Amino acid sequence: DAGVIQSPRHEVTEMGQEVTLRCKPISGHDYLFWYRQTMMRGLELLIYFNNNVPIDDSGMPEDRFSAKMPNASFSTLKIQPSEPRDSAVYFCASSLSGTVLANEQFFGPGTRLTVL
Amino acid sequence: AQSVAQPEDQVNVAEGNPLTVKCTYSVSGNPYLFWYVQYPNRGLQFLLKYITGDNLVKGSYGFEAEFNKSQTSFHLKKPSALVSDSALYFCAVRDRLPTQAGTALIFGKGTTLSVSS
Repeated sequence: DAGVIQSPRHEVTEMGQEVTLRCKPISGHDYLFWYRQTMMRGLELLIYFNNNVPIDDSGMPEDRFSAKMPNASFSTLKIQPSEPRDSAVYFCASSLSGTVLANEQFFGPGTRLTVL
Repeated sequence: AQSVAQPEDQVNVAEGNPLTVKCTYSVSGNPYLFWYVQYPNRGLQFLLKYITGDNLVKGSYGFEAEFNKSQTSFHLKKPSALVSDSALYFCAVRDRLPTQAGTALIFGKGTTLSVSS
């Protein structure tokens, strides 16, 4: 298995532009998570899905952030409009239910976003 | 509420010496506990987890962790450190109670491990 795939790996954009980050979870996994990592705040959970349905989006910082999961193999995180303080590394992770709470998450390589 | 604390921002050890990276947690019920490692410019990699049973859990790359319920700790250990172990280490917790925050993991802020040759 290729693992969790994220694209792009790096994104540089200007303030005010729309940014879309993409994630393909591991095949068969039914949970998908979006995290943001910064030096100041560490690793923050933004939102997670179960069977393509958003379960908890309380970590989404503002209305400028939105996430979708149109099918089991694809999710997007969109920022519109982007701001310099959104600069961070964004990780996608997936996991499998079953014993549910006991299962570890598998992380993608991340997207490094720089907003100028 | 669930929380995880990693009291040390950085741990420095010499190669060949034992290492410990500390983690304490707080949950309402009993915990599931995890350790992850992050190498530069990479995503987090799962190292090991405590679910139930033996308090000493063995994981990847020779790492192990000891669950201590009375001290609410889950410290990561390795008997002999390697330079290649230098990375950022995250402890994470999830409450077993099904009513608690779904399946989201709560991560600590991370501890940078630096192993010198």
